Amino acid sequence: AQSVTQPDIHITVSEGASLELRCNYSYGATPYLFWYVQSPGQGLQLLLKYFSGDTLVQGIKGFEAEFKRSQSSFNLRKPSVHWSDAAEYFCAVGTGVTGGGNKLTFGTGTQLKVEL
Amino acid sequence: SAVISQKPSRDICQRGTSLTIQCQVDSQVTMMFWYRQQPGQSLTLIATANQGSEATYESGFVIDKFPISRPNLTFSTLTVSNMSPEDSSIYLCSVEDQGSNTEAFFGQGTRLTVV
Repeated sequence: AQSVTQPDIHITVSEGASLELRCNYSYGATPYLFWYVQSPGQGLQLLLKYFSGDTLVQGIKGFEAEFKRSQSSFNLRKPSVHWSDAAEYFCAVGTGVTGGGNKLTFGTGTQLKVEL
Repeated sequence: SAVISQKPSRDICQRGTSLTIQCQVDSQVTMMFWYRQQPGQSLTLIATANQGSEATYESGFVIDKFPISRPNLTFSTLTVSNMSPEDSSIYLCSVEDQGSNTEAFFGQGTRLTVV
């Protein structure tokens, strides 16, 4: 069965500083990997996804993530954090199988706080 | 991308009652899913809503507690039955991107409080 680990429950960074959120996954086949952001009172918004090709993927809002198969990781990064980035971030792995759909297994989330 | 509307957006319910949550999509989709997000926790898949057949439930979730309907390719309902305070959660509907089958879209969620 697939699983996702986000080791950091809370992270605080200063505005303008760089950010890296960690994500490790466990899945027997080639994973479909996602990062979602959830702002207070909002639904989930997809930041980026990886399923093949270039292991460094670019997403919205200036985020990027790098897939490292050898480390079973898919860490999210941003070079300069903005106050509006304060939110909860979820890493997820999906089966990506047509007909099986994208049944997602989510990590426990990382709450990001941005200090001005 | 699919636009998903969930109703109600929030509700406060008495224990022992039931609540039906609706999920409407602006386009036909094959796969629809229901997730639960308990307070301070991550999302957990409840079931896959199958059009024309019974929903497929994940371990720990049963039809008697969470009956699901999927009458067509754009609509589904989730009922939370015989509610207790432990059912207080956000319930989210999700659909698969028909174009690529590699992305899931989420509704805004229904915030349920059971008192």
